[in-house]
Amino acid sequence: TQLLEQSPQFLSIQEGENLTVYCNSSSVFSSLQWYRQEPGEGPVLLVTVVTGGEVKKLKRLTFQFGDARKDSSLHITAAQPGDTGLYLCAGPTSGTYKYIFGTGTRLKVLA
Amino acid sequence: DVKVTQSSRYLVKRTGEKVFLECVQDMDHENMFWYRQDPGLGLRLIYFSYDVKMKEKGDIPEGYSVSREKKERFSLILESASTNQTSMYLCASIPSGGADTQYFGPGTRLTVL
Repeated sequence: TQLLEQSPQFLSIQEGENLTVYCNSSSVFSSLQWYRQEPGEGPVLLVTVVTGGEVKKLKRLTFQFGDARKDSSLHITAAQPGDTGLYLCAGPTSGTYKYIFGTGTRLKVLA
Repeated sequence: DVKVTQSSRYLVKRTGEKVFLECVQDMDHENMFWYRQDPGLGLRLIYFSYDVKMKEKGDIPEGYSVSREKKERFSLILESASTNQTSMYLCASIPSGGADTQYFGPGTRLTVL
């Protein structure tokens, strides 16, 4: 069974600090996605990483896919209150459109 | 703008009631999904549909059924609601052809008393 584990589960930091969120699995994924979910809304896709070792940047957010395609990280530089939300990683199961989601990291950035 | 809408944002039902949750997407997507989201458990797939009248069980289908009579509409049915079905229900859609982005609706927070 494919599983995605995220750490930490909760994170509360001050505005301006840096942070890293991890998404780990013992299985290989063809790609991994990161979503952000704000209270009362559905998740919204931030990025998809496809190639082992790939690094993608989205303004202050940096996403990395592990060389073996079993893990990914999300690094936020100089966090802002607007970054507050639930961050989810997700990966497709082999040969289907079904996705497995991680348990999520709930981030709170204090002004 | 792509859009996935869900019939209710909040719903309160009593144990034993039949509950219908509806999801509509305007993107002509073939694949639609129903998830439930619970603290510490993440999103878990209940059912998905890859075409009209086609459905497949996800990881937690017990106590649920689905209906897809039209391409744009995917309904989740709780035949006899129970308190352990209190949860946030999320609908999503994705096109065929290898696109990765799942488009989610805003969710329905269901409370079963």
